[in-house]
Amino acid sequence: GQQLNQSPQSMFIQEGEDVSMNCTSSSIFNTWLWYKQDPGEGPVLLIALYKAGELTSNGRLTAQFGITRKDSFLNISASIPSDVGIYFCAGQTFYGGSQGNLIFGKGTKLSVKP
Amino acid sequence: NAGVTQTPKFQVLKTGQSMTLQCAQDMNHEYMSWYRQDPGMGLRLIHYSVGAGITDQGEVPNGYNVSRSTTEDFPLRLLSAAPSQTSVYFCASSQPDETDTQYFGPGTRLTVL
Repeated sequence: GQQLNQSPQSMFIQEGEDVSMNCTSSSIFNTWLWYKQDPGEGPVLLIALYKAGELTSNGRLTAQFGITRKDSFLNISASIPSDVGIYFCAGQTFYGGSQGNLIFGKGTKLSVKP
Repeated sequence: NAGVTQTPKFQVLKTGQSMTLQCAQDMNHEYMSWYRQDPGMGLRLIHYSVGAGITDQGEVPNGYNVSRSTTEDFPLRLLSAAPSQTSVYFCASSQPDETDTQYFGPGTRLTVL
């Protein structure tokens, strides 16, 4: 089946540093999504990407949909302590004109040192 | 709007016991799904439903049953719990053509001894 390779698995950074994480796949996706999960909570959608090459920002977060449609990255600029959590990428394809289910990466655990 | 609610928040079972994890949403969403989350594994789809009366299997359906008798509720049943089902379970909902904007519940942490 389809799989997403998300890296790095974990990051431990200093407050104020920039962060970059990415997802790759051998399959093509029509949509790339980035979620954040706080401890004890469900994932919350951060950014959705719908077109190959698309670059989208949400505050200090920037994400891009790779040209090949097989990869995506998420950057966080000037990290702050509340950025701590697990970040998941997810890909979605279309089947017969309908949206398919989401395939999730294994997550990047971000720790920020004040 | 309460969004997506799940009960219980925590549960401990013995091997072989059965139980139902409850999920409800008040957003009139047609699409609902169940995921399990294990350390280092991300979220894996167990079952999903595109509307009342319609369910289908996801990536890891074995050992779980679902039903969808109403739009609001999508319970997940474990008929005979096994230690391998120790996990955190998340329910999510969205509109069928907007499954990219799924809303997740707070999760149920299940331990099977």
